[in-house]
Amino acid sequence: SAVISQKPSRDICQRGTSLTIQCQVDSQVTMMFWYRQQPGQSLTLIATANQGSEATYESGFVIDKFPISRPNLTFSTLTVSNMSPEDSSIYLCSADRGRRDEQFFGPGTRLTVL
Amino acid sequence: AQRVTQPEKLLSVFKGAPVELKCNYSYSGSPELFWYVQYSRQRLQLLLRHISRESIKGFTADLNKGETSFHLKKPFAQEEDSAMYYCALLNDYKLSFGAGTTVTVRA
Repeated sequence: SAVISQKPSRDICQRGTSLTIQCQVDSQVTMMFWYRQQPGQSLTLIATANQGSEATYESGFVIDKFPISRPNLTFSTLTVSNMSPEDSSIYLCSADRGRRDEQFFGPGTRLTVL
Repeated sequence: AQRVTQPEKLLSVFKGAPVELKCNYSYSGSPELFWYVQYSRQRLQLLLRHISRESIKGFTADLNKGETSFHLKKPFAQEEDSAMYYCALLNDYKLSFGAGTTVTVRA
């Protein structure tokens, strides 16, 4: 298995500011992903974080709003830029080893935008 | 496009009663399906996957390609089964999740 940690666990931010969320995996993984879970909703994939290249974004998500970095095989960051109250969500990081068998999830970052 | 449907948002059963969580999918290829569970104050974790055809914590799920379903079942629910359950479909390397079902097992 892989253990994933996220920082911060929660934050309250002002409209118009940006927040960077960190995701650390305790072992090297092939794939890393970022999800959003809006209140009362299911998980929606934001993007796949690619090591050494630009992230692959899903429909409805753009790099300017959600820039992602992945400098190595164990670490990734997601920035939520120019935040509005609609960005209030739980943001989850996940990873798998490329064996298509299981994704491991972090504990999530609960973001509230005022 | 792939789609996962969980028609029940909430499910309440008594301890010892059977529980079944419904999941239907639409997918053009050969599906790989999973059930994930999130217990209170814990992170999301894998419960079972259809390819392994195993029983985990008394839960089983059978893939029915004719009905495009992957329902999760347990013959005798326990209080510790109270949680949020998500059905998910793997498309290439990405997971698509259903809306989730909150299960409450009452004593």
